Amino acid sequence: SAVISQKPSRDICQRGTSLTIQCQVDSQVTMMFWYRQQPGQSLTLIATANQGSEATYESGFVIDKFPISRPNLTFSTLTVSNMSPEDSSIYLCSAHNRKAGGDTQYFGPGTRLTVL
Amino acid sequence: AQTVTQSQPEMSVQEAETVTLSCTYDTSENNYYLFWYKQPPSRQMILVIRQEAYKQQNATENRFSVNFQKAAKSFSLKISDSQLGDTAMYFCAFRDANTDKLIFGTGTRLQVFP
Repeated sequence: SAVISQKPSRDICQRGTSLTIQCQVDSQVTMMFWYRQQPGQSLTLIATANQGSEATYESGFVIDKFPISRPNLTFSTLTVSNMSPEDSSIYLCSAHNRKAGGDTQYFGPGTRLTVL
Repeated sequence: AQTVTQSQPEMSVQEAETVTLSCTYDTSENNYYLFWYKQPPSRQMILVIRQEAYKQQNATENRFSVNFQKAAKSFSLKISDSQLGDTAMYFCAFRDANTDKLIFGTGTRLQVFP
């Protein structure tokens, strides 16, 4: 299994500012993902963080708003740019190793973001 | 596009009783995986159980078991001997073996009463 940590665990930010969330995995993983969970809602995939190349974004999410980095096989960051109150959500990082047999996708504890 | 549907927004069960949470999905793929995740108030996503689509045998993990009906595209979760600690949101999720992306249902909030 993989243990995933996220920083910060929560933050309160002002409209128009940006916040960078860090995700650290305790072992090398092939796949890393970022999800958003709006209040009382399910999880929605924002993007797949690709090591050494640009992230792959899902429909409705763009790089200018959610730039993502993944410099190595254990670390990724998600930035929420030019924030508005609609960005208030929990942001979750997840990871798994791709191999035959369907490895489990593990999740970090999430970052609770409140935008005023 | 794949979709996952959980038709029960809320469920409740008495401690020690059995409860079944429903999940249906839609896909044209033949190779995929299905998961149930639990999210307690701490918001940590915890894997409960997983099922590979190519396996006919239903997965079991202690008090948790699934009823996987591939033709009907149904994947229900049965919790036996419910415990207070089972109180949480439960999400059904589908993963395409080609893309590795998880698609979640809307969740079922389960309350276990003493």
